[in-house]
Amino acid sequence: DTGVSQNPRHKITKRGQNVTFRCDPISEHNRLYWYRQTLGQGPEFLTYFQNEAQLEKSRLLSDRFSAERPKGSFSTLEIQRTEQGDSAMYLCASSPVRVPTLYEQYFGPGTRLTVT
Amino acid sequence: GIQVEQSPPDLILQEGANSTLRCNFSDSVNNLQWFHQNPWGQLINLFYIPSGTKQNGRLSATTVATERYSLLYISSSQTTDSGVYFCAVELQTGANNLFFGTGTRLTVIP
Repeated sequence: DTGVSQNPRHKITKRGQNVTFRCDPISEHNRLYWYRQTLGQGPEFLTYFQNEAQLEKSRLLSDRFSAERPKGSFSTLEIQRTEQGDSAMYLCASSPVRVPTLYEQYFGPGTRLTVT
Repeated sequence: GIQVEQSPPDLILQEGANSTLRCNFSDSVNNLQWFHQNPWGQLINLFYIPSGTKQNGRLSATTVATERYSLLYISSSQTTDSGVYFCAVELQTGANNLFFGTGTRLTVIP
């Protein structure tokens, strides 16, 4: 298996601009997750998909954030009107749905966002 | 919400030493994973261990789900073991996302 891939790896943007990140999960993994990690903290859950359906969204996911997984394969995370507080590492993970490693999650390298 | 506490927060070891990292969690869980985050930020899967004991080379892990804790053992540490170790749990109720602890930062010196 190739691992989870994310693009871009780094993004610097000015406050108020929109940004979009892409995640390609491990093939045949039907669950895809987005997390955010700020300096010195563990990752925090944002949202997840099973196939193309978005099943859960965290309260961290304000209305400026939107995520899609239109064909149940890759996913995009868009942040509109970025703020300095959005600066973080955005991590994507995917998981298979099979016994015995039900829902074991595998993470991509992340996209580091800096909002100036 | 669930509390996931890791100890110690920081650990400095001489190369070759052994260590034990602990993860306590406050609710019943379906899943527990241990990760190593390398200096570039990549989270590397170490163990998927909702209960029992597993070993992989110099690393082993034990989860006692009924007492709500897990331990990660690192033996004969190497400088490449440096980084942050996270445990993460998935609740028995609710969404299937992981809740992460605050991590243990390990530094192995030659």
